[in-house]
Amino acid sequence: AQTVTQSQPEMSVQEAETVTLSCTYDTSESDYYLFWYKQPPSRQMILVIRQEAYKQQNATENRFSVNFQKAAKSFSLKISDSQLGDAAMYFCAYRRWGSNYKLTFGKGTLLTVNP
Amino acid sequence: GAGVSQTPSNKVTEKGKYVELRCDPISGHTALYWYRQSLGQGPEFLIYFQGTGAADDSGLPNDRFFAVRPEGSVSTLKIQRTERGDSAVYLCASSSLASDTQYFGPGTRLTVL
Repeated sequence: AQTVTQSQPEMSVQEAETVTLSCTYDTSESDYYLFWYKQPPSRQMILVIRQEAYKQQNATENRFSVNFQKAAKSFSLKISDSQLGDAAMYFCAYRRWGSNYKLTFGKGTLLTVNP
Repeated sequence: GAGVSQTPSNKVTEKGKYVELRCDPISGHTALYWYRQSLGQGPEFLIYFQGTGAADDSGLPNDRFFAVRPEGSVSTLKIQRTERGDSAVYLCASSSLASDTQYFGPGTRLTVL
């Protein structure tokens, strides 16, 4: 069974600074997807970024980028120029390759952004 | 277009009662998922529908939990004889057949007293 581990229960960052959230996972499969979701107090899970395991290039979405290390089974999220609106729970998630499989989530990291 | 909607937003019930939680997916999305998120945890998979049928119900914790999607759109998660341990946020997500992205609703917070 696949597992996802987020070892940082809480992180904090100063506004405009950069922060990195860690995620490791365990799988025996070679093809899969990895995701970072953001969950603000409204409870709505919002997709931040995704990575296909077969792609060597790290995904980037504006201020959000990942460091995907397939051999190490590591998938960290870097948030640049942090904004107050980035404050939320962040979840790392794994999904098997192919359509419509369940997501396996980590326990989450609570990010606080200090003004 | 409209996102995934869930009703009610909050539900408080007494131990032993029956509850129904509703999910209305994004129009045209054939896949629908239910997850349960306990306090301080990440969401955990419950069940997945492809169309009207349950393609994977391996996450349902016991036979008190049941879900239906009779017309391939709206889904209802049903919990019988609720227990205090069922208290959690129940999240619904949907995706299209060709998509690898699940879109989530705002969840229903269930509290069992």
